[in-house]
Amino acid sequence: AQTVTQSQPEMSVQEAETVTLSCTYDTSESNYYLFWYKQPPSRQMILVIRQEAYKQQNATENRFSVNFQKAAKSFSLKISDSQLGDTAMYFCAFMKPGGKLIFGQGTELSVKP
Amino acid sequence: DTEVTQTPKHLVMGMTNKKSLKCEQHMGHRAMYWYKQKAKKPPELMFVYSYEKLSINESVPSRFSPECPNSSLLNLHLHALQPEDSALYLCASSQLALSYEQYFGPGTRLTVT
Repeated sequence: AQTVTQSQPEMSVQEAETVTLSCTYDTSESNYYLFWYKQPPSRQMILVIRQEAYKQQNATENRFSVNFQKAAKSFSLKISDSQLGDTAMYFCAFMKPGGKLIFGQGTELSVKP
Repeated sequence: DTEVTQTPKHLVMGMTNKKSLKCEQHMGHRAMYWYKQKAKKPPELMFVYSYEKLSINESVPSRFSPECPNSSLLNLHLHALQPEDSALYLCASSQLALSYEQYFGPGTRLTVT
C-alpha cells in the first residue's frame, strides 16, 4: 500500500523569504503522479503543482517549484518570495493510474509580515 | 476554466432532517468525487462516479446517498445523520476517474445538531 508522509505539521516563514515543505512517499509503482494541494482558511482545495514520475525535470509554477527525488521517494515543495496569501494547509498527494488520491497529513504554513 | 461549484456553502440540519448537497462542473470531466474532511485532516474519499455510474463506495453508511443525474452534476443526499457527520464535504472532478489531477470545489460546511 502507498503511504505519504509530511513530517512537518506546522511551519512559519517571513514574508518575502523562501520556505521548503517536505514530503516522502512509499510505493513499489514505477508510474505515478505526485501533487501539492493548498487549502487556505477559506477551505477551497487548490492544485498548486503536479509531477509525473517519468519526468526527470522538476515541475515549476511561478513561485512554486518541486524537488523530485525518485530514488529517495521525496517530493518537496519550495515556495519563493512567500506572500501572506500563501498562508494555508499544504497537502502532498500521491496517485497511481487507476488508484485513489492518497494524501499526507498536511503541513500548516503561516507567512508572517 | 477549472471551476467546481458547490451549494450550499453552509448547512445546519437536525438528525431527523433530509437535505441534499449539490456539486456542478462544466469542464467536461467524466469523473466526480465526494470527500469528507475533518478540521486539519486530509480529505477522506467517500464515493467515485465514472461516466455517471458509481464506481467506488468507500463503505460509507447508507445515510449518505450519492446521485449523478448527468455528467456535470453530483448530489449527496443526507438522511438521519449523526453529530459525528459534521464536517466539510468536498466535491471534486477529474478528466477520467483515478487517472488525472482532481479539481476541488469550495466545499459545504455541514453541522448536524
